[in-house]
Amino acid sequence: DAGITQSPRYKITETGRQVTLMCHQTWSHSYMFWYRQDLGHGLRLIYYSAAADITDKGEVPDGYVVSRSKTENFPLTLESATRSQTSVYFCASEGEGEEQYFGPGTRLTVT
Amino acid sequence: GENVEQHPSTLSVQEGDSAVIKCTYSDSASNYFPWYKQELGKRPQLIIDIRSNVGEKKDQRIAVTLNKTAKHFSLHITETQPEDSAVYFCAASSAGTYKYIFGTGTRLKVLA
Repeated sequence: DAGITQSPRYKITETGRQVTLMCHQTWSHSYMFWYRQDLGHGLRLIYYSAAADITDKGEVPDGYVVSRSKTENFPLTLESATRSQTSVYFCASEGEGEEQYFGPGTRLTVT
Repeated sequence: GENVEQHPSTLSVQEGDSAVIKCTYSDSASNYFPWYKQELGKRPQLIIDIRSNVGEKKDQRIAVTLNKTAKHFSLHITETQPEDSAVYFCAASSAGTYKYIFGTGTRLKVLA
């Protein structure tokens, strides 16, 4: 579990501001994912990445941007935060033939 | 689009009783079905999974069954204990995609 970390763990920001959530994994897993968790909706996939420089949209990508210049990092950026983006964000990674491991989460509040 | 429905949303059982959580998926190409447990304030963690070439899998008090024809799978927890209290998520994934579609979760409460 210590192999995947997220920062910050808690963040309060204002509507319209840009905010970046960081995700780092030490396993050299090819696949990385961003989910948001909201009551009543479970875990919804925002974006995922199959390798460095390869990213694709998930179920709810609008308002988010990702990049993956290095295998171990997968930052998620909210370009102009809205209150509807208040949520708990989980990053996850998966190696070939392995399970999907989740990070500890980032609780984001947009005021 | 792809969808996974999970029922019930909440489930209360007496300690020692069994608990069953059911999920239905829509994508017939789905071939991998993991179950995650999430304790309050913690990250989801895999507890058991099943692939489409198997009908049932068991790990101590936890078992998962899969009915490909009906496109549904279930989690069974026997002899429930207070530490089983958590939110459980099912998910479905198709071959080669690595994308999981999660159900909306079941909050299980085991009453002592």
